[in-house]
Amino acid sequence: GEDVEQSLFLSVREGDSSVINCTYTDSSSTYLYWYKQEPGAGLQLLTYIFSNMDMKQDQRLTVLLNKKDKHLSLRIADTQTGDSAIYFCAENPYSSASKIIFGSGTRLSIRP
Amino acid sequence: DAMVIQNPRYQVTQFGKPVTLSCSQTLNHNVMYWYQQKSSQAPKLLFHYYDKDFNNEADTPDNFQSRRPNTSFCFLDIRSPGLGDAAMYLCATSQGRNAENEQFFGPGTRLTVL
Repeated sequence: GEDVEQSLFLSVREGDSSVINCTYTDSSSTYLYWYKQEPGAGLQLLTYIFSNMDMKQDQRLTVLLNKKDKHLSLRIADTQTGDSAIYFCAENPYSSASKIIFGSGTRLSIRP
Repeated sequence: DAMVIQNPRYQVTQFGKPVTLSCSQTLNHNVMYWYQQKSSQAPKLLFHYYDKDFNNEADTPDNFQSRRPNTSFCFLDIRSPGLGDAAMYLCATSQGRNAENEQFFGPGTRLTVL
């Protein structure tokens, strides 16, 4: 089956690093994604990683993939108030080329 | 700016009264998707169009229908809304269906059923 799990809430202090974790079930997923949803807005693709990679860095964002444990994480360095949003982990199972399976989202809140 | 537009942003309907949600895109993408997102849950794909080819998800209720009269527009019709259909409905587009094609999302329509 296809399932993506992530914790619902994360609170971090401004300037600290945020780490959002996700587990997925379909080992055949070729792509894994992180989407961001700000209040009143649609989902926006933040970054993605191919299943043959174990790390991808893009400015303040670092994605780590552990295929053995089916674990994906998103690290946001120097977290700012503008990073407040819901972050969705998603997988793209090989068997469903056009179908993205989303997690329930992690709401990131920033403390001053 | 190229974008995905959803109208209205908020829709209120009565139990059992048909309602139509609208999505348009200026990206000229081949694929258009409709997702249902209930509070604190993952977006769930209802169906998608690849050009004029309609693809329904196996667990999408018959109460949900869709139309795509042209490349730019796609509609979600809910024939007899129930209280359980209250949700955010997200439209998305992509150039193709392969995994490397990014999906671009609209802001969503929040549906309330009274």
